[in-house]
Amino acid sequence: DAGVIQSPRHEVTEMGQEVTLRCKPISGHNSLFWYRQTMMRGLELLIYFNNNVPIDDSGMPEDRFSAKMPNASFSTLKIQPSEPRDSAVYFCASSSWGLAGEAETQYFGPGTRLLVL
Amino acid sequence: AQKITQTQPGMFVQEKEAVTLDCTYDTSDPSYGLFWYKQPSSGEMIFLIYQGSYDQQNATEGRYSLNFQKARKSANLVISASQLGDSAMYFCAMMEKNSGYALNFGKGTSLLVTP
Repeated sequence: DAGVIQSPRHEVTEMGQEVTLRCKPISGHNSLFWYRQTMMRGLELLIYFNNNVPIDDSGMPEDRFSAKMPNASFSTLKIQPSEPRDSAVYFCASSSWGLAGEAETQYFGPGTRLLVL
Repeated sequence: AQKITQTQPGMFVQEKEAVTLDCTYDTSDPSYGLFWYKQPSSGEMIFLIYQGSYDQQNATEGRYSLNFQKARKSANLVISASQLGDSAMYFCAMMEKNSGYALNFGKGTSLLVTP
């Protein structure tokens, strides 16, 4: 089975440009998470969805960041306008809700390395 | 406050020996899960092992085991018979049921396995 798919794997852009990161979760998973990894802050949650509905977006840094999940097999994370401090690795992860409402293991995509010049 | 603490920024171990990576956590939620992930230099996050707060037995997955001491709030990862390919960053993470199901990660421990 295919794992979590992210595209692009690498993105280099200039400050002020719009950046769109894409994620396809594992088929059958109904929860999707976006994380960001930097040297300074480590791994931090940006937003997560359950059944395509955003549940917690408190980690989204500011209004420049937005995320959507139009269907069960696709999500986007958009940064507009991008800034150099947004340079990081962005991970998408997915999981399924198990018995008794317990969430199960999150499986991560390969990440998108974003560099904003 | 830091929910997951990994006190060892870097560790060395000789090939074929066992190594313990420390993780302590902080929660008042009675229902939580603890996870370990491996991040090799290629950058992907690889799930290793999971321990639920109500699990009576320590989790094991092949050469990985989790030394779960609930009263001490520790969830150390033990890697037996280390291999060169085990060299990587290792992250401990916690999921709390009453705080949503996102993962809180520690800062990580860099493990280097030497021949």
